Amino acid sequence: AQSVTQPDIHITVSEGASLELRCNYSYGATPYLFWYVQSPGQGLQLLLKYFSGDTLVQGIKGFEAEFKRSQSSFNLRKPSVHWSDAAEYFCAVVPLSGSARQLTFGSGTQLTVLP
Amino acid sequence: EAGVTQFPSHSVIEKGQTVTLRCDPISGHDNLYWYRRVMGKEIKFLLHFVKESKQDESGMPNNRFLAERTGGTYSTLKVQPAELEDSGVYFCASSRTPPTQYFGPGTRLTVL
Repeated sequence: AQSVTQPDIHITVSEGASLELRCNYSYGATPYLFWYVQSPGQGLQLLLKYFSGDTLVQGIKGFEAEFKRSQSSFNLRKPSVHWSDAAEYFCAVVPLSGSARQLTFGSGTQLTVLP
Repeated sequence: EAGVTQFPSHSVIEKGQTVTLRCDPISGHDNLYWYRRVMGKEIKFLLHFVKESKQDESGMPNNRFLAERTGGTYSTLKVQPAELEDSGVYFCASSRTPPTQYFGPGTRLTVL
């Protein structure tokens, strides 16, 4: 069955530390890939997306993500986390084929940043 | 450029009452989507409009939910009658060119 998995429900890091949030997908063909962030009291903000080409994608707020076809993964990274990065992060996909154009989301990863 | 807006930001109603949520997409975006996240669950797709037409409503949970997009501009999502399990956050998103979607702040619905 097609699915998006974020294995980590909750991650805690210290401010200034590096961050990697995991996302794996299970689709016949590589789907369109997205990362969204929801800060407290805010809506979902698009961080970055991957459609094709360079497998390392740069996004807003200093985030990047790397697509690895062999691992069916699209992990989100940031070299140095800031306190304002505390939020919930969602990986999402849209299938490459078929008529469906809606996003399918992972269950989210809650990020806590320690001072 | 104004983003996607949603009204109200919060709504608290009693079981059996009716609630109408509104979404104003980004100007010029023909595609409009509704999603919701119930407590502890994943964000789930409800339906997709292209202009005023329902392109895909496969995610609508039951016939207590009615979505409209008259004139292809703003959209409303009515829940009638509301049940306890309808509580959650309802998100609206819009897109000029799928699949990239831009989300509004959401409406938090609490059914007592």
